[in-house]
Amino acid sequence: SQQGEEDPQALSIQEGENATMNCSYKTSINNLQWYRQNSGRGLVHLILIRSNEREKHSGRLRVTLDTSKKSSSLLITASRAADTASYFCATVLLNNYQLIWGAGTKLIIKP
Amino acid sequence: NAGVTQTPKFQVLKTGQSMTLQCAQDMNHEYMSWYRQDPGMGLRLIHYSVGAGITDQGEVPNGYNVSRSTTEDFPLRLLSAAPSQTSVYFCASGTGSGYTFGSGTRLTVV
Repeated sequence: SQQGEEDPQALSIQEGENATMNCSYKTSINNLQWYRQNSGRGLVHLILIRSNEREKHSGRLRVTLDTSKKSSSLLITASRAADTASYFCATVLLNNYQLIWGAGTKLIIKP
Repeated sequence: NAGVTQTPKFQVLKTGQSMTLQCAQDMNHEYMSWYRQDPGMGLRLIHYSVGAGITDQGEVPNGYNVSRSTTEDFPLRLLSAAPSQTSVYFCASGTGSGYTFGSGTRLTVV
């Protein structure tokens, strides 16, 4: 069964606005990763946050992690049309290389 | 360019046929895995490997076989294709800090 659940399932915003996606998981993790998938393509690694970190930034991306609530959020600031994609969170469990995936959030940026 | 190479990109099979999806990586990663992705769903792990000669089952292994004779290659075999195996298949390699995905194989079983 899937570890992560993402919310919302779909999000449509205007270009320039910020987009926030949330991910919840069930068991203790080593780290949590976010990936982007453009339509019909493979997944691309965006950012990783370790279990002992609370916030991480990479360009226009900001990720937070709350291990007490077993949840993470991905914020994309100043969205662009090129950000239109599906975004997935994946957790890496303790002592394990495996990724366990959420079902993803489909983000549409309207020009 | 370094990365994960998957072949073929598209394939149509008849029910009962067998085939092998190829996956190769040139990053010397010990960990490789195969996923399937169905519409509206996340990725489901089929099989994975933590090194040459070592493989294990994931969440949905039935109907699939794998082997890992070298660090670079991790082929996925469909033994007797069924319509339920119509999906997009992704190979990935990496470490616990991040994974690189192939571009996918879109498989249709009729």
